Amino acid sequence: EAGVAQSPRYKIIEKRQSVAFWCNPISGHATLYWYQQILGQGPKLLIQFQNNGVVDDSQLPKDRFSAERLKGVDSTLKIQPAKLEDSAVYLCASSRKGNSSPLHFGNGTRLTVT
Amino acid sequence: SQQGEEDPQALSIQEGENATMNCSYKTSINNLQWYRQNSGRGLVHLILIRSNEREKHSGRLRVTLDTSKKSSSLLITASRAADTASYFCATDAMDSNYQLIWGAGTKLIIKP
Repeated sequence: EAGVAQSPRYKIIEKRQSVAFWCNPISGHATLYWYQQILGQGPKLLIQFQNNGVVDDSQLPKDRFSAERLKGVDSTLKIQPAKLEDSAVYLCASSRKGNSSPLHFGNGTRLTVT
Repeated sequence: SQQGEEDPQALSIQEGENATMNCSYKTSINNLQWYRQNSGRGLVHLILIRSNEREKHSGRLRVTLDTSKKSSSLLITASRAADTASYFCATDAMDSNYQLIWGAGTKLIIKP
């Protein structure tokens, strides 16, 4: 089966600019996750979708971050406006049965905010 | 919040030796998962062990779970250079509505 696809692979923007990331999960996976990973740390959940509904967005900075999963398949994560501390790798993952089954990760988007 | 804590933070061993990493957590769980992350890549699932299991094997990997001590260990036998990576544990904490909680990882370096 094809893996989780993410784009772009790298992005460099200036602070206060906006940026969007795209994710295509594995076909048939109902659960989709967006994680933020800062260098040397574990992944931090930003938002979790079950089909096209939000399960958990408690750690999403909603004043600047937004995410959607239209039609319960692809998803986009947007940051507007970006801050220096948003520099990180943004990982998308999907799973068949939520947190009780393995997560499959994409290779992430490395964001640098200057 | 981070429930899982890996130990050690970094580990450097010679190729061929065994590597052991530990994960401790704070609250009751349904399952615990181990993942590997190579530099610049996404995480790759290794093993999922359920709370009613004590040990699981997958190739050169052996995972144990001690729910009384709230800890798990990942053993990699006969290490290879390709095992160089960061290893993370993730637990679904019952008191957090089973959301996955990740540790900060163990950075493993295999020296040729």
